[in-house]
Amino acid sequence: RKEVEQDPGPFNVPEGATVAFNCTYSNSASQSFFWYRQDCRKEPKLLMSVYSSGNEDGRFTAQLNRASQYISLLIRDSKLSDSATYLCVVNKENTGFQKLVFGTGTRLLVSP
Amino acid sequence: DAGVIQSPRHEVTEMGQEVTLRCKPISGHNSLFWYRQTMMRGLELLIYFNNNVPIDDSGMPEDRFSAKMPNASFSTLKIQPSEPRDSAVYFCASSFFGGGISTGELFFGEGSRLTVL
Repeated sequence: RKEVEQDPGPFNVPEGATVAFNCTYSNSASQSFFWYRQDCRKEPKLLMSVYSSGNEDGRFTAQLNRASQYISLLIRDSKLSDSATYLCVVNKENTGFQKLVFGTGTRLLVSP
Repeated sequence: DAGVIQSPRHEVTEMGQEVTLRCKPISGHNSLFWYRQTMMRGLELLIYFNNNVPIDDSGMPEDRFSAKMPNASFSTLKIQPSEPRDSAVYFCASSFFGGGISTGELFFGEGSRLTVL
C-alpha cells in the first residue's frame, strides 16, 4: 500500500464549479499534513497546511480526519488559474524532522 | 531574494556516464532535500540533510546514487554509472527547521531534467 494515496484524475470542471479532492495516508503516527500545488513542468509549491479543526484560505478549504486517515481539499468557484496538479503531503516523521511524503497528485483542469 | 538554485536544468547523457546535479539552497535554511519525480511514481524523497548532516538516505535507490553536502550553501547528487531508468526530474528543496517545529514548507528549485539514453 502506498503511504499517501490520491485519485490521479484528471478532474475536468467548468469555471465556477466546486471540486473536492481526497487523500488517504497509511501511517497513523503522521503528525502534520499539507496540500501542495504543482503547475505543468514547474516545481511544487505549498498551497496550505491542514489542521485538525479544518481550515480555510479564501476559496480553499482543507480538512483532516485522523480516525479515518483521510485529508480533503475543497475548491469553490474554480478559476482557470486553478488548473494544476494538487499534491497531498504527509510529514511521517514524528520527531519533527521534515520527512515529507508526497502523493502522486490529482490533476485538475478548469475549462471556460 | 534568490530561491533554490539547481544546475543543470537539463541533461542528456548516455548510459554508463556519470551525472552530477548541483543545488544551492536558500541562505539561512538548514535542511536540504533531494527528490526525484517520475510520472509513474510521483515525487520520491531520496535523501535529506539537516545542518549538512545526512539524516535519512533510505530513499536512495542503490549504491549508484550518492549525495553530499560539504557546506551549508551547496549540495550534489551524483549518479555513477547512470542507467535509462534514472531518467526523471530531480528536485532539490530547502527549508528552515528549528525548535522541533516543522512548518511543512519546502522551497523547491526548478528541477534538473535528466534523460539517460
